[in-house]
Amino acid sequence: QKEVEQNSGPLSVPEGAIASLNCTYSDRGSQSFFWYRQYSGKSPELIMSIYSNGDKEDGRFTAQLNKASQYVSLLIRDSQPSDSATYLCAVKMDSSYKLIFGSGTRLLVRP
Amino acid sequence: DADVTQTPRNRITKTGKRIMLECSQTKGHDRMYWYRQDPGLGLRLIYYSFDVKDINKGEISDGYSVSRQAQAKFSLSLESAIPNQTALYFCATSDRDRAPQGGQFFGPGTRLTVL
Repeated sequence: QKEVEQNSGPLSVPEGAIASLNCTYSDRGSQSFFWYRQYSGKSPELIMSIYSNGDKEDGRFTAQLNKASQYVSLLIRDSQPSDSATYLCAVKMDSSYKLIFGSGTRLLVRP
Repeated sequence: DADVTQTPRNRITKTGKRIMLECSQTKGHDRMYWYRQDPGLGLRLIYYSFDVKDINKGEISDGYSVSRQAQAKFSLSLESAIPNQTALYFCATSDRDRAPQGGQFFGPGTRLTVL
């Protein structure tokens, strides 16, 4: 079992819709969770971080964390074609330097 | 703007050649990392360094070496390049003072092709 799992997609949504991206992780000791956006051929860009159960909102982005169920999700409201990218979930234990990355979900926003 | 830079951005080389990829940062972060990214395999950690005197192997260090010349500079070397080292290479940094909640910040990447 992979430590951080994401559906590879592509997830296709129409412009203006809510895109929902999901990630599950295997290590219950994980404490910090991050979402990165990566455009094709470009570097990962940190867009959200979350540490506590519940929701965290930043503009059109909402990260949701459920430690009991070991999943973290990213909601993108009012999706735009410019949101089309691969979204990487990354997980870190408190005591560790190490970020464990999922393989990413490719999002396509149709105009 | 505080930034992470990588040189070269693209490199084509031949099997057996020695290659050095360089990373510099102006973020003032003490921790630096080298990753490679392959389609379908995600990001994999090659080496990491918490300060100039601290170098550690990641999950895929075989065939690679690193040098931390200064807090702001971290180089990755392929002593004798082989075709399966063809990949996209990223340098990243993080701030010890914000650990464990701080994320990592990535440079623009180097696309390396080994023929």
